Amino acid sequence: KQEVTQIPAALSVPEGENLVLNCSFTDSAIYNLQWFRQDPGKGLTSLLLIQSSQREQTSGRLNASLDKSSGRSTLYIAASQPGDSATYLCAVRTTSGTYKYIFGTGTRLKVLA
Amino acid sequence: DAGVIQSPRHEVTEMGQEVTLRCKPISGHDYLFWYRQTMMRGLELLIYFNNNVPIDDSGMPEDRFSAKMPNASFSTLKIQPSEPRDSAVYFCASSRDTQYFGPGTRLTVL
Repeated sequence: KQEVTQIPAALSVPEGENLVLNCSFTDSAIYNLQWFRQDPGKGLTSLLLIQSSQREQTSGRLNASLDKSSGRSTLYIAASQPGDSATYLCAVRTTSGTYKYIFGTGTRLKVLA
Repeated sequence: DAGVIQSPRHEVTEMGQEVTLRCKPISGHDYLFWYRQTMMRGLELLIYFNNNVPIDDSGMPEDRFSAKMPNASFSTLKIQPSEPRDSAVYFCASSRDTQYFGPGTRLTVL
């Protein structure tokens, strides 16, 4: 059974710092991996999608990497800003059985001005 | 495109009442997902459809929950009868590859 873990659960950093959020999964048979952002009281916003054949994706200050063999993905945020404060979730789409998404519990990020 | 549309945005009801949540996916998307989010359990997949057909409903908590997708542009999630422990935010999402979420329905069962 696929399990997705995100560590740390919460993180506070000063503005301008570069930071890395981690996502681990137990079954490497994945179709893709997606990173989301969720602001308080809001829905999830898609940030980056990495297909299983890809190693990384970039969008602006965000870079996501994928290492299937080790069951890990990282989301790198460059030059963090207070507006980056949110909960970040990763989701793995499985290929074993049904093509459903398994979500991690998220990392709550606070960027201090 | 207006994105994934959910209604109502907020629902307050009394225990035992029937609740129907509605979702309009993004046009052209062939997958539709229903999730529930609580502080205790995080984001849980309830059921998902592919081309209007239910594929995996293993996350539906019990028989009180049912979901339908009569056509490619509409889905419902029904709870009958509702209980206080059903209080949560319910999200609908659709995808071809990238998954897009609706704004959610905040359900409170008194």
